[in-house]
Amino acid sequence: DQQVKQNSPSLSVQEGRISILNCDYTNSMFDYFLWYKKYPAEGPTFLISISSIKDKNEDGRFTVFLNKSAKHLSLHIVPSQPGDSAVYFCAATSSGGYQKVTFGIGTKLQVIP
Amino acid sequence: DAGVTQSPTHLIKTRGQQVTLRCSPISGHKSVSWYQQVLGQGPQFIFQYYEKEERGRGNFPDRFSARQFPNYSSELNVNALLLGDSALYLCASSPYRGINEQYFGPGTRLTVT
Repeated sequence: DQQVKQNSPSLSVQEGRISILNCDYTNSMFDYFLWYKKYPAEGPTFLISISSIKDKNEDGRFTVFLNKSAKHLSLHIVPSQPGDSAVYFCAATSSGGYQKVTFGIGTKLQVIP
Repeated sequence: DAGVTQSPTHLIKTRGQQVTLRCSPISGHKSVSWYQQVLGQGPQFIFQYYEKEERGRGNFPDRFSARQFPNYSSELNVNALLLGDSALYLCASSPYRGINEQYFGPGTRLTVT
């Protein structure tokens, strides 16, 4: 049962353009969402997060949007750079007092120079 | 500052054997979580330990166990290995028990033959 779904296994974007990665979730108890980036042979690296009390969070070139009614979030990268090429994981958790984080299967982003 | 370290990097075991994986968190981090990442999937939560006590457990059989030591390092043990246990095992640390970003190590690649 995939509670966090990333339906696009891969995405190719030209350098300088916007990258939009999408994520859907099914568990209504999730109230905190995170995006991680993973390069080959490395562990995931935290990118940005958003609490369910917000609908938008920005950090430099990265913005996460949350639509609670649709149970959908997206990560926008503007402008995209070749160094952004990686696998991006969407993850979710609930305020249960511990860090049981549920991950999606990832989207592989390729930024073409 | 050193990041999360894990040992060994790679490991090959035979079905039925037992394995111990080790993790050293970032200095000052008291929480350690373990994840299993099967090829083509996102990381799946196994355990969280905080202040040497188990704080959360995912849907894994009792063959999986872990502990955290006074210096906050941690071990993951898997008994009676199955072919399906072949995966990348990731350790993540964070300063706190509750929801916040986690810092992942590079992982241990376990192959069961």
